[in-house]
Amino acid sequence: GAGVSQSPSNKVTEKGKDVELRCDPISGHTALYWYRQRLGQGLEFLIYFQGNSAPDKSGLPSDRFSAERTGESVSTLTIQRTQQEDSAVYLCASSVSGSPPYEQYFGPGTRLTVT
Amino acid sequence: EDQVTQSPEALRLQEGESSSLNCSYTVSGLRGLFWYRQDPGKGPEFLFTLYSAGEEKEKERLKATLTKKESFLHITAPKPEDSATYLCAVQAGNTDKLIFGTGTRLQVFP
Repeated sequence: GAGVSQSPSNKVTEKGKDVELRCDPISGHTALYWYRQRLGQGLEFLIYFQGNSAPDKSGLPSDRFSAERTGESVSTLTIQRTQQEDSAVYLCASSVSGSPPYEQYFGPGTRLTVT
Repeated sequence: EDQVTQSPEALRLQEGESSSLNCSYTVSGLRGLFWYRQDPGKGPEFLFTLYSAGEEKEKERLKATLTKKESFLHITAPKPEDSATYLCAVQAGNTDKLIFGTGTRLQVFP
């Protein structure tokens, strides 16, 4: 079946602009996660949605970052007033549920470059 | 603080030369340890989940094992197509997020 999809695959933006990144999870998956992968570093958790529960925003690095999810489908990660340190690959993952531990399936990522 | 450390950072093997990758972790209340493979320009691809010490899982040339402090990913007679970055991640406590190590970049030469 279809996997996790993300768009755009690449995004180049100027410092100070806002960007929106989109994630379409696997159909039927109630849990959705956003991670960030900076060059040469491990994946860093950003935010987690599980069904209708309040999202876990504990990984968002600043108030310039926000995310929304419509029901159990599409999610959008928004970065306002982008900075050069925001340059990274942003990865979305989904899983059947949040508990017990289920494997998370990742999309191909969006490579964000802030100039 | 929960932490995951992978070693070595990079590993070069001749085709057929078996070896092991290490993932050591310090977490409160391990719920699951995950191994992923990541090819350049792609998202991580799920390989294994291990839940408790003593557990082992195998898939083709890969075998993952788990103790109370670390996990090993054993690669038997690797082929060039096994070249990738291998990521280890843990899920712990009452959170569902994954905590990742920085990965081991494996290169297998013919």
